[in-house]
Amino acid sequence: AQTVTQSQPEMSVQEAETVTLSCTYDTSESDYYLFWYKQPPSRQMILVIRQEAYKQQNATENRFSVNFQKAAKSFSLKISDSQLGDAAMYFCAYWNAWSKTSGSRLTFGEGTQLTVNP
Amino acid sequence: DVKVTQSSRYLVKRTGEKVFLECVQDMDHENMFWYRQDPGLGLRLIYFSYDVKMKEKGDIPEGYSVSREKKERFSLILESASTNQTSMYLCASSLLTSGRIYEQYFGPGTRLTVT
Repeated sequence: AQTVTQSQPEMSVQEAETVTLSCTYDTSESDYYLFWYKQPPSRQMILVIRQEAYKQQNATENRFSVNFQKAAKSFSLKISDSQLGDAAMYFCAYWNAWSKTSGSRLTFGEGTQLTVNP
Repeated sequence: DVKVTQSSRYLVKRTGEKVFLECVQDMDHENMFWYRQDPGLGLRLIYFSYDVKMKEKGDIPEGYSVSREKKERFSLILESASTNQTSMYLCASSLLTSGRIYEQYFGPGTRLTVT
């Protein structure tokens, strides 16, 4: 079974600085997707960024970028120029593209609570 | 604007009560999901449904059941609530996968307390 691990329960960053959240996963599959979701204090979970395993280029979305290391099974999220609105719980998630049994199921990590200090 | 709504933000129930959590999506999505969120454990899948009247067990289905009579509505049922079911419950929906991934859209969550 696939597992996703976020080893940092809490992180903090100063406003305008850069922070990196870590995520590792375990899978025997070669075709899959990885995601970072953000859950602000209001609790509505939203997608931040996603990465297809077959793509070597790291995904970027404005201030958010990932460092995808397929061989190491590592998928970290970098937030540049951190803003107060970035404060949230961040979840790393995995989806296997071709699993007949899992269908559209996501496997989530434990989450990292990010605090942004003014 | 995509929207997933849940019937309650906060709910307090007594041990042994039957509890219904309702989720409605207005995006005509085939897939719907119920997750449970607990500190240090992330989100764990309870059940999902890929079509009306179809359901599949997730990772922690024990003590729960689900109902999907209409495409837009997916209900989570706690037949006899217990204190260890005190948690945050999140509903999500997505388009049906056919080798592609579609984003899951989440509801705001229901904080259930069982006393």
